[in-house]
Amino acid sequence: QVVLRQSGAEVKKPGSSVKVSCKASGGSFTTHAIMWVRQAPGESLEWMGGIVPKVGPVHYAQKFQDRVTITADESTLTAYLEVRSLTSDDTAIYFCARDPGDFWGQGTLVSVSS
Amino acid sequence: DIVVTQTPLSLSVSPGQPASISCDCSQSLLHSDGRIYLYWFLQRPGQAPQLLIYEGSNRFSGVPDRFSASGSGTHFTLTISRVEAADVGVYYCMQSIELPVAFGQGTRLEIK
Repeated sequence: QVVLRQSGAEVKKPGSSVKVSCKASGGSFTTHAIMWVRQAPGESLEWMGGIVPKVGPVHYAQKFQDRVTITADESTLTAYLEVRSLTSDDTAIYFCARDPGDFWGQGTLVSVSS
Repeated sequence: DIVVTQTPLSLSVSPGQPASISCDCSQSLLHSDGRIYLYWFLQRPGQAPQLLIYEGSNRFSGVPDRFSASGSGTHFTLTISRVEAADVGVYYCMQSIELPVAFGQGTRLEIK
């Protein structure tokens, strides 16, 4: 049974950056991609990108290509999502999930407000 | 990019009655490897999504057999044979045959 544990809620100012972590336990970290999905308040799920730890490559949704970085540290079984140049539109719950969605983190609320 | 369209967007069903949700995709989800890259999720209020169905019609571990799914190519259906209170939430379909991965808009199921 794979468990994905995400870092805690964040409150950020517009223009700043946030880095969310997703630590895996209970299963192999390198045999499946990890994807990041966000959900704005009252909205559907939105795929941001994904990574296959150790093997790579990293893929991004086009709308996030310029200000999102997804990385993974095989030694700590942790994947990371960094979002830069935050605006209020980035206020959302950010989920990590093992591709194709069989295991999910609990979600991390990122609030962007001046 | 593949467009994923769910219908209806909301559903109100009496306990014990069936429910059905459709998912239409702008391109075929049948891969040359024979797999169908269509998945169904349920997101209960305040929770992360949970996988119900993988590769078009396969129930994930622990999912009650009240849930079934069918479809091929571009049109897919999730059926709940007898709705229970625990089924309340938003249902999403997702395609992953090509990037970007895409989700439907979601179908909200409530109990009458």
